[in-house]
Amino acid sequence: GAVVSQHPSWVICKSGTSVKIECRSLDFQATTMFWYRQFPKQSLMLMATSNEGSKATYEQGVEKDKFLINHASLTLSTLTVTSAHPEDSSFYICSAGTGGNGYTFGSGTRLTVV
Amino acid sequence: KNEVEQSPQNLTAQEGEFITINCSYSVGISALHWLQQHPGGGIVSLFMLSSGKKKHGRLIATINIQEKHSSLHITASHPRDSAVYICAVSVNRDDKIIFGKGTRLHILP
Repeated sequence: GAVVSQHPSWVICKSGTSVKIECRSLDFQATTMFWYRQFPKQSLMLMATSNEGSKATYEQGVEKDKFLINHASLTLSTLTVTSAHPEDSSFYICSAGTGGNGYTFGSGTRLTVV
Repeated sequence: KNEVEQSPQNLTAQEGEFITINCSYSVGISALHWLQQHPGGGIVSLFMLSSGKKKHGRLIATINIQEKHSSLHITASHPRDSAVYICAVSVNRDDKIIFGKGTRLHILP
């Protein structure tokens, strides 16, 4: 079955630094990847939609200059949290797919900014 | 009203009990997902289904497209099943996924 690898599974970084999270489809090509985040005790919320080779579409309220998304190939999308602050501490998860064949979730990344 | 509603929000049961978690949605979907989230946050995708029923080990997921309802069942529950179970739907119009708020399940030994 389709497998999505998300890395790292957890990361701790200092305030002001940048963190990159990778989402990789291992055995299929993903034309679309979605990035979500989950604050404590809340639902997962969509941050942005990433289509291979084009700019990501961000949801309202998500700063595109802070959360940089790159989907340079059909198997890899990255989310970079720039100049991270403690309030960015959250659980980030991606899903990847090709629309008609459904979407597969990564296992998520827990980011803690100290 | 949320487009994806789960019930119950919290559930505590004794080991061995049969567990049912329900999910109702109000949008047109191409697929419904059941996810399991452990305390550390890690997500495991349990099922993706668009019709009928799927079974994997002690887990069973059903969906009724006409009634816009899905259920996740756990047979012979075990303390290691304790987790948050999340229902999510892939929306027909744009493939985006809408998540339910989750059901926190606690199985007592």
